[in-house]
Amino acid sequence: QQQVKQSPQSLIVQKGGISIINCAYENTAFDYFPWYQQFPGKGPALLIAIRPDVSEKKEGRFTISFNKSAKQFSLHIMDSQPGDSATYFCAASNSGAGSYQLTFGKGTKLSVIP
Amino acid sequence: DTAVSQTPKYLVTQMGNDKSIKCEQNLGHDTMYWYKQDSKKFLKIMFSYNNKELIINETVPNRFSPKSPDKAHLNLHINSLELGDSAVYFCASSHPPENTIYFGEGSWLTVV
Repeated sequence: QQQVKQSPQSLIVQKGGISIINCAYENTAFDYFPWYQQFPGKGPALLIAIRPDVSEKKEGRFTISFNKSAKQFSLHIMDSQPGDSATYFCAASNSGAGSYQLTFGKGTKLSVIP
Repeated sequence: DTAVSQTPKYLVTQMGNDKSIKCEQNLGHDTMYWYKQDSKKFLKIMFSYNNKELIINETVPNRFSPKSPDKAHLNLHINSLELGDSAVYFCASSHPPENTIYFGEGSWLTVV
């Protein structure tokens, strides 16, 4: 049973365009929703994260939009650059469970073409 | 200074062998993890561990065992390696209240 569903699996965007990656979750106990960025040969690194008490969080060109009622959240990358080409993972965790294990989506491979 | 470091980065071994992957974190975190990333890039938790509790993902075969000599280290031991164990294994750590999980750079295990 996959608790976090991520789409699309791959995405090609032109330089300067907007990249949008979507995630949906099932467990209403989840209360922390981070996005991780992974470059080839490297470990995932935290990009941006949100908690359910806000509907949007912006850091530079990266924005998370969160819809609690729909149990969905998305990552928007504005003015996408070739250096943004990487695999992006959404994730979720339930801090109330006493553990901060992340449940990951299956990842989106983003390619930004010049 | 690498926050979460793992060794070896690459490991090629034969079926049936026993191997270990070492992990150290210098962040002072209380909780450490092992994640497995398969060929399709899917990341799955294997273990989480702090000085009080080991939580094991029920799908992990008992051939896999974490061992923590101290708070800064969490090593992964794998017995009787199988072809299906080939994957990238990531060590990670976190600490309240932020609970951001920091990953190492991964250990590429190939079983032949």
